[in-house]
Amino acid sequence: QKEVEQNSGPLSVPEGAIASLNCTYSDRGSQSFFWYRQYSGKSPELIMFIYSNGDKEDGRFTAQLNKASQYVSLLIRDSQPSDSATYLCAVNDDYKLSFGAGTTVTVRA
Amino acid sequence: DTGVSQDPRHKITKRGQNVTFRCDPISEHNRLYWYRQTLGQGPEFLTYFQNEAQLEKSRLLSDRFSAERPKGSFSTLEIQRTEQGDSAMYLCASSLEGDQPQHFGDGTRLSIL
Repeated sequence: QKEVEQNSGPLSVPEGAIASLNCTYSDRGSQSFFWYRQYSGKSPELIMFIYSNGDKEDGRFTAQLNKASQYVSLLIRDSQPSDSATYLCAVNDDYKLSFGAGTTVTVRA
Repeated sequence: DTGVSQDPRHKITKRGQNVTFRCDPISEHNRLYWYRQTLGQGPEFLTYFQNEAQLEKSRLLSDRFSAERPKGSFSTLEIQRTEQGDSAMYLCASSLEGDQPQHFGDGTRLSIL
């Protein structure tokens, strides 16, 4: 499987702040990128996907992709306690997904 | 639109026993994937199907593991002669063709005594 690296965390942010999560990947040919949220003891839940360079916004979430730098990020604006979870970056690898180890985010009230 | 369904949610068994898990994908999804996740790690790919055809199997998957998807609908994952190292969350996901996002079921948590 292709390598996917995420900032190790844990990341602690105050409520209302922006949480910034980073991910780099090894295969320059990768085309599809996904962010999943995983609450403790639960399965991954898709929150964002991005295929093209630039920004993609969905509510409080923004995914940013830079294929030249092999870098994808996720911004969570106006962080809420319910955003406390592990965020997994995934890269499409010939249709299967290669995942990073995840970054755990804690939002402090 | 019902999501991906997995059964059972939890399985506790003794070392050496065989176990079988079932996954029902989202109805219009052609692709079905199995992953395994251990604590503190991201999911690891095991195998995937397009319709009834098993197209890829991870080199990490020993001969004790087998998966089927008869008639291209539900899938089963069987582990024979379970070992302590098989303890993990087994996740099933499905997607439409190509690079479409994969949606995960709730997983089956396997504990080997």
